[in-house]
Amino acid sequence: GQNIDQPTEMTATEGAIVQINCTYQTSGFNGLFWYQQHAGEAPTFLSYNVLDGLEEKGRFSSFLSRSKGYSYLLLKELQMKDSASYLCAVKDSNYQLIWGAGTKLIIKP
Amino acid sequence: EPEVTQTPSHQVTQMGQEVILRCVPISNHLYFYWYRQILGQKVEFLVSFYNNEISEKSEIFDDQFSVERPDGSNFTLKIRSTKLEDSAMYFCASNDREGSQPQHFGDGTRLSIL
Repeated sequence: GQNIDQPTEMTATEGAIVQINCTYQTSGFNGLFWYQQHAGEAPTFLSYNVLDGLEEKGRFSSFLSRSKGYSYLLLKELQMKDSASYLCAVKDSNYQLIWGAGTKLIIKP
Repeated sequence: EPEVTQTPSHQVTQMGQEVILRCVPISNHLYFYWYRQILGQKVEFLVSFYNNEISEKSEIFDDQFSVERPDGSNFTLKIRSTKLEDSAMYFCASNDREGSQPQHFGDGTRLSIL
């Protein structure tokens, strides 16, 4: 079966750095996406990785290791508005997005 | 920036009734998707649509579900005879091509079955 694992919840302090991990086992791989979702809202795109390595985009970076089936999302200089769920999603061999359950990130002052 | 729009934002329906959820994808996009998210649970793929036909569908997308692109702009999801467990947020998404591009999501329709 296809499976994506992420921690259920994480807590971090405003101004700090947090790393959210994601491991996946899917039938084929056509890229890994990170989305942010505030409660009651739609997912919004953060980052995309298809090759191994780090992709940096402002305060957010995402890393991929295809051989390990592993990715992480790194958030720097945390702000209160970063409190949200962070969803890891993988496109499988049929280009279907397979979603993780999301990591709820709580930012404390 | 162009957006995917969904209507209504909230739909309340009696169990057993038919419901149609509407979406207007971004105008130059060719790939359309429906997802659902039951409250507190993960996003689940329902169906993808390209070139006026279903390209992929999940196990959730059974005979009670259908999709249609009735004209050049709308993309609809119909649930024929709703059940209590159909209560969820339904998100429409679109993309100009497969592969690396992120899918652009609408704000969703909250479907409540009574």
